[in-house]
Amino acid sequence: EVQLVESGGDLVQPGGSLRLSCAAFGSSVSNYWMGWVRQAPGKGLEWLADIKPNGRDRLFADSVKGRSTISRDNARNSVSLQMNSLRVEDTGIYYCAREVGTSGTDLWYFDVWGRGTLVTVSS
Amino acid sequence: IVLTQSPGTLSLSPGERATLSCRASRSISSTYLAWYQQKPGQPPRLLIYDASNRATGIPDRFSGSGSGTDFTLTISRLEPEDFAVYYCQQYSTSRYTFGQGTKLEIK
Repeated sequence: EVQLVESGGDLVQPGGSLRLSCAAFGSSVSNYWMGWVRQAPGKGLEWLADIKPNGRDRLFADSVKGRSTISRDNARNSVSLQMNSLRVEDTGIYYCAREVGTSGTDLWYFDVWGRGTLVTVSS
Repeated sequence: IVLTQSPGTLSLSPGERATLSCRASRSISSTYLAWYQQKPGQPPRLLIYDASNRATGIPDRFSGSGSGTDFTLTISRLEPEDFAVYYCQQYSTSRYTFGQGTKLEIK
């Protein structure tokens, strides 16, 4: 059973940057799309980005597009989310999640989630 | 695709039947809809995928149904551990979206 562990969350000033990491344990995630989902305090879930197994294809939500990059290291069984030009509204818990679904569609739901890492953007 | 969940809060007693609704702003192809349960301080947990398939280890009191724009999560007989927030998610388009959640609370 794979476990996902996020790290890198911190208190950062508006305009700053953070790199979030997600390490997978117990099983390889190299053949899966991997994604990041955010939850603002007391709010719902927001999909942010995901990355294909080959690391070359990536998708971003409009809320973070142009300010974020996602990458993966299949040898280290890990995924990262680099966020720049952070805003107060980026505050929240950031979850890493494994994406699964019907092969060939590139349309996925989330079957394994990490416990999240907290990002606070405040001056 | 915007997903609207109703009701916002549902107050029921253990043993009762819960019916949660998720409505999409346009048709979801191939029933690409999932349901998650989230308890305080925990990450979401996958319950249902492809609108009606239970995820591994999910009790059969949970069931999903629907197609097009209207989907339902039903919990046949509430157990104390079922009181939580429930979210639907569409994956009909690659820009995945979630509903705003339904809080299921003990009456």
